[in-house]
Amino acid sequence: NAGVTQTPKFQVLKTGQSMTLQCAQDMNHEYMSWYRQDPGMGLRLIHYSVGAGITDQGEVPNGYNVSRSTTEDFPLRLLSAAPSQTSVYFCASSYRGHGEQFFGPGTRLTVL
Amino acid sequence: DAKTTQPPSMDCAEGRAANLPCNHSTISGNEYVYWYRQIHSQGPQYIIHGLKNNETNEMASLIITEDRKSSTLILPHATLRDTAVYYCIVRGNKKLTFGTGTRLTIIP
Repeated sequence: NAGVTQTPKFQVLKTGQSMTLQCAQDMNHEYMSWYRQDPGMGLRLIHYSVGAGITDQGEVPNGYNVSRSTTEDFPLRLLSAAPSQTSVYFCASSYRGHGEQFFGPGTRLTVL
Repeated sequence: DAKTTQPPSMDCAEGRAANLPCNHSTISGNEYVYWYRQIHSQGPQYIIHGLKNNETNEMASLIITEDRKSSTLILPHATLRDTAVYYCIVRGNKKLTFGTGTRLTIIP
């Protein structure tokens, strides 16, 4: 199993640009989520999904969209990038709402 | 979900047991206590979780007080590779809410 994969590893955007961060898992996990981590801080939940076709907001959803058309994929879309979205983004998955969450390696995003 | 309180930093000598405390005084009956760690800038790594009984696995032990208002993560024989930020999380319905964690430094 590849586990949780994220692409790209690094990305630089200009203010106002849009992009999609990709996340995929091959463990047939129902639950997937996106976090952001700013320097010196813990992770903050952006959006999560409990299964295909079902998504919900976390702590900091503004400026981000998600969809879950398949069990495997959970892309995160930045609609109009802002410097405040400069962060490291982590995707995670788990079999159910409880239990071990597996995290991807992260995407380091810089918005100029 | 209940909030947690952890010391910002701790040191531990290599080979000794590292005991990391966590307060979660507002925890409710169906909320689990989870521990994760983050080494450098990697993705967080799951360590252990429990509801009310003490738990042990190959990485660590989790001791939860009888009133469930606090817990302690124990790394029995700390090594330099255990240097990381450790997060104590109380998880209710579906969501993990991370705090700022404890930065554990293992001293040679």
